[in-house]
This record gives sequence, structure tokens and C-alpha cells, in this order.
Amino acid sequence: ILNVEQSPQSLHVQEGDSTNFTCSFPSSNFYALHWYRWETAKSPEALFVMTLNGDEKKKGRISATLNTKEGYSYLYIKGSQPEDSATYLCAFIRDNYGQNFVFGPGTRLSVLP
Amino acid sequence: DAGVIQSPRHEVTEMGQEVTLRCKPISGHDYLFWYRQTMMRGLELLIYFNNNVPIDDSGMPEDRFSAKMPNASFSNLKIQPSEPRDSAVYFCASTHRDPNQPQHFGDGTRLSIL
Repeated sequence: ILNVEQSPQSLHVQEGDSTNFTCSFPSSNFYALHWYRWETAKSPEALFVMTLNGDEKKKGRISATLNTKEGYSYLYIKGSQPEDSATYLCAFIRDNYGQNFVFGPGTRLSVLP
Repeated sequence: DAGVIQSPRHEVTEMGQEVTLRCKPISGHDYLFWYRQTMMRGLELLIYFNNNVPIDDSGMPEDRFSAKMPNASFSNLKIQPSEPRDSAVYFCASTHRDPNQPQHFGDGTRLSIL
């Protein structure tokens, strides 16, 4: 059973604060890691797809890093805005046989104005 | 690009009834996933298909649940008989095998079993 963990479980920050969360995954048989943003009453939307150790991806104020050797990825949000409030999910894909996807439990972010 | 299309958006039915949820994946995607979202378990994978063939159905809760993908453009998830504890939001997603491609989710079906 694959264990993908995310921390913290939830986070409340003030508008303008920068924040980061962690996704931990097995360091063996790594294939890819995805980050998704999931707003309430909507469906998850992809933020980043990361496949190489040391990858850094950026989209506006949001960025992510990847360490496949130690099995973690960080998601950073710079200058949080209320519209950033959502649940952020990471998904780990193991090996390149099939698409064995395991989602983490998510980090729920609330940005207070 | 129409995206992943799920129907119905909402379903309310009485326990014991058969429920059928439908999904049309993005054209050209060779993987299709069914997920269930609950408060207790978050987003859990029920089953996924590759080229219309079920690959892993270990997440299907019990025999009351079944899923088929008769062709590349359609899949359904059936619950028979339905129970109140099946109430949840069910998502369908599709993607390519390419690890650089994320999953694309439908809008989900909100199922309520009375």
C-alpha cells in the first residue's frame, strides 16, 4: 500500500502571507508527482506535473520543488490571496507500468482577507 | 476541447434503487479513472481503465459497485442496490500514459441516497 502524506492538514493565513506545504511519498519506483488545486464545489485542476529530481516549477505566485531521492515535494504560495483558498492535493505515480495514482489527503488552505 | 463530461450532475434516489453514473473522457486519452470523494476518506480511487480494460478495481467498495468501459468514449459506474452510505461526489478523470500529462477531471456527480 502506497503511503502519500501531506502536511499540514489545514492552514489559515492572512492575505499577503507566504506559505508552503509538504507532500511526502515513497522514494522508490518514482515516476511522477502531480499537484492539484481543488476549490470547494469544483473538480481538481492540475497545477504542476513533476518528473525529474530537482525539478522546480512556477505558475504566477505558486511554485513547487521536487526531491525524489528523499521522497518529498514542497508547494509554495507567495503573497497569498483569498482566491488561493482551496485544498491542494499531491498525487504520486509509481513506476511506469500503468498509472497507479495515489492522492495524498490534501492541505486545506484558507486565506483570510 | 470539451473536457471530461459526467452525467448526471446530481442524483437523488431511494435506497435499493440502481444508480448509473456516466463519463465521457477527453478524446484520445487512454486512461480513465473513477474516484469517490467523502468527508472521511477524501479522494479515493475506485477503479481505473487503460485502453478500455479495467486494470485495478481494488478500490471498489463491494460487489454492489461495478464499472464498465465498452468503448474509448464512454464509461459507466453502477451501484446496485444503492445504500445511504454510498452518498458522495463521484468524479471521473482521464489522461494520457505520458507522465507529463496530468489527470483531467469532470465536474463530478453528487449522489444522495435517501
